[in-house]
Amino acid sequence: AQSVTQLGSHVSVSEGALVLLRCNYSSSVPPYLFWYVQYPNQGLQLLLKYTSAATLVKGINGFEAEFKKSETSFHLTKPSAHMSDAAEYFCAVSEADTGNQFYFGTGTSLTVIP
Amino acid sequence: GAGVSQSPSNKVTEKGKDVELRCDPISGHTALYWYRQRLGQGLEFLIYFQGNSAPDKSGLPSDRFSAERTGESVSTLTIQRTQQEDSAVYLCASSWSGTNSGNTIYFGEGSWLTVV
Repeated sequence: AQSVTQLGSHVSVSEGALVLLRCNYSSSVPPYLFWYVQYPNQGLQLLLKYTSAATLVKGINGFEAEFKKSETSFHLTKPSAHMSDAAEYFCAVSEADTGNQFYFGTGTSLTVIP
Repeated sequence: GAGVSQSPSNKVTEKGKDVELRCDPISGHTALYWYRQRLGQGLEFLIYFQGNSAPDKSGLPSDRFSAERTGESVSTLTIQRTQQEDSAVYLCASSWSGTNSGNTIYFGEGSWLTVV
């Protein structure tokens, strides 16, 4: 069975500090992994995705994530937080043998402190 | 269209009334998803359509909820006899599903439902 766990429902960082949002998955086959961002009162938009190419994936707005099979993790990072990064972040997994079904984590709310 | 379109964007309804929420997926996308998001919470899977296959209805919370999709186009989510706990944002998403998986899922802006 597939599942996604996001550790920490709320994360606060100071402006300019490192952002680290954690995501662990369980999957019986190589997964496809995604990070989505949801700004207040908006829909979700794709930040980045891993589809079995390079394990370090770069996305929009300076975010990146690294797929670590041994740790079943896909943590999202950004070297320097911006006020505009304040949002809800969702990790998701899909697999070829589930017909492209998506499973989302419960989300992490990021607060950036000036 | 250019993106996933949902209507209405906002709906206030009285408890006990039926509501219909509409989703127009991106043209050519064979997969369509409905999710529910209660205030301050994560995404709750409701239903998934994939081409002409039988939909995955495993997320529908009760028999008051149903959804249909015409071919590979418009989908309608219907909630009968609405209850206050149905108040939420209902998000629709679509993706292309060819022989390669890992296709991106694209979301609409959501339909905000308030049951009073």
